[in-house]
Amino acid sequence: QQQVKQSPQSLIVQKGGISIINCAYENTAFDYFPWYQQFPGKGPALLIAIRPDVSEKKEGRFTISFNKSAKQFSLHIMDSQPGDSATYFCAATGGAQKLVFGQGTRLTINP
Amino acid sequence: EPEVTQTPSHQVTQMGQEVILRCVPISNHLYFYWYRQILGQKVEFLVSFYNNEISEKSEIFDDQFSVERPDGSNFTLKIRSTKLEDSAMYFCASEGDRGGTEAFFGQGTRLTVV
Repeated sequence: QQQVKQSPQSLIVQKGGISIINCAYENTAFDYFPWYQQFPGKGPALLIAIRPDVSEKKEGRFTISFNKSAKQFSLHIMDSQPGDSATYFCAATGGAQKLVFGQGTRLTINP
Repeated sequence: EPEVTQTPSHQVTQMGQEVILRCVPISNHLYFYWYRQILGQKVEFLVSFYNNEISEKSEIFDDQFSVERPDGSNFTLKIRSTKLEDSAMYFCASEGDRGGTEAFFGQGTRLTVV
């Protein structure tokens, strides 16, 4: 019940395209859903986060869509750029302090 | 911008040896964490620390692991007798408020047990 399932494992998108990564959770106690971006050899860095009281949050080219009834949330990267190539992790937390991470998606943006 | 600093960036150790991984969290943060990431896998929670004591630990965090905040600024993870399967990236993170605000991660320590 503590798991967060993420898909796809890897994704290749052409420059300018839309990258979409999906996550699903089971624990209804989760109340904060961040997305982390990780470049090789670096630690995860917070990209954008959402709470379940809203269905969408947009920051620049990055949008989180949240479906509370389906217990799913997704990251959309509009106008994807080669610099967006990284590993993306969804995560969830609530009640307890720890972050529960998804398995990660290796995103490659082809120029 | 404030950052979490970890040292060393890479540590190679012989199986059975003790290692200490060090972290300097962001100065006004109250919650501290260790996570690990085995190569190519997801980030896994090890332990959380608040008010000078462990607040939660995972099943990975067995008796071989310990954490300390020895001087009010550093936050350390000790592995008493390393095993090959302890080889991973270890990330320290700190947070200003209880779960649900931004957790800042350090750049990690790559531990290689040979």
